[in-house]
Amino acid sequence: GAGVSQTPSNKVTEKGKYVELRCDPISGHTALYWYRQSLGQGPEFLIYFQGTGAADDSGLPNDRFFAVRPEGSVSTLKIQRTERGDSAVYLCASSGSTNTEAFFGQGTRLTVV
Amino acid sequence: AQSVAQPEDQVNVAEGNPLTVKCTYSVSGNPYLFWYVQYPNRGLQFLLKYITGDNLVKGSYGFEAEFNKSQTSFHLKKPSALVSDSALYFCAVRRSGSARQLTFGSGTQLTVLP
Repeated sequence: GAGVSQTPSNKVTEKGKYVELRCDPISGHTALYWYRQSLGQGPEFLIYFQGTGAADDSGLPNDRFFAVRPEGSVSTLKIQRTERGDSAVYLCASSGSTNTEAFFGQGTRLTVV
Repeated sequence: AQSVAQPEDQVNVAEGNPLTVKCTYSVSGNPYLFWYVQYPNRGLQFLLKYITGDNLVKGSYGFEAEFNKSQTSFHLKKPSALVSDSALYFCAVRRSGSARQLTFGSGTQLTVLP
């Protein structure tokens, strides 16, 4: 499809484990964003990539969270030593150089038990 | 810092009646404003945006929004609501320029009653 693709759609992990969430943006989009949406709240910004580099990672809550985009396309959000408070829907979005709006994927629902 | 307020958690409206979902914002500089809609277990879908120009912007599915600089508002409107419009609506803001991350409101659940 032509939209933003996120895998897996659901992930259940045990407290303390490591997880990776994948985002495949719209082809040709140079900007990629990660957001986190907790139940009953709006999405909160985590990190923004322009190409391969993180242009702004000010939203990452702590050093357990890390994201990469090595070839300027697919991105992986990595969470170490997961905690129950990390449970949320993680949303990825992308935008092109001519777009001011971002296009979102369907999200990965992470549950830490 | 930038922020968005959606003062109503829930809006109920009868089918065929006009609807308004309220949004106010705070941002330094010129704002870029957006509305997104979220259906259950789905991602956010872009509805419309204000960047510059006419204060009344039209978007998808018959929705429109009015930018009011003096009141720092960007209310979402539709002249005649449909039951299928029932969903969670988010207002978002970012500054013009290179900082492209969005700040979202807490969302408003719209229910259109048949």
